[in-house]
Amino acid sequence: GENVEQHPSTLSVQEGDSAVIKCTYSDSASNYFPWYKQELGKRPQLIIDIRSNVGEKKDQRIAVTLNKTAKHFSLHITETQPEDSAVYFCAASDDKIIFGKGTRLHILP
Amino acid sequence: DAGVIQSPRHEVTEMGQEVTLRCKPISGHNSLFWYRQTMMRGLELLIYFNNNVPIDDSGMPEDRFSAKMPNASFSTLKIQPSEPRDSAVYFCASSWREAGELFFGEGSRLTVL
Repeated sequence: GENVEQHPSTLSVQEGDSAVIKCTYSDSASNYFPWYKQELGKRPQLIIDIRSNVGEKKDQRIAVTLNKTAKHFSLHITETQPEDSAVYFCAASDDKIIFGKGTRLHILP
Repeated sequence: DAGVIQSPRHEVTEMGQEVTLRCKPISGHNSLFWYRQTMMRGLELLIYFNNNVPIDDSGMPEDRFSAKMPNASFSTLKIQPSEPRDSAVYFCASSWREAGELFFGEGSRLTVL
């Protein structure tokens, strides 16, 4: 079955700097790669997703890149703000959605 | 739509008791997923349904866990008997399709003493 590895588990960046979270997946049949943000005590919510026919997607300060050959995908957050502090989960899916273990992002003032 | 509705929000029970968690998906969504979240293991997929039919239950930890979806608007996850290691937040999520945006409920926090 699918296995998703996510790094780093914790990331601290200065406010205004960029943050990058990386994931790898194992199942070459996976074709959908969403990213979820979970604030403390809340439910996960989708922030951006990408399908396998696209190499990059951007939405304001966040972007996702996908390398299907290497089975890598990454989340990039630019100009980080305090409200970006949360846990971020990557996921991969062919039918069922399998999540990485999450990255706790701290934005330092 | 009110979103995915889960109940109870919090459950504290003693080891050996039966626990039933409930979920009402968003109307019109065809897929329903049960996830378990712990600090150590993250978000684990337990089981998912498509058009009320269980498609993959390979994530169900053991026979103590069972899930049903008798109709398009209701699903249950049952643990019998419960054990302390079952303590976690259980999320239900629904989606228009299998590989599509998941809409999560607020979760059911289970504590087994």
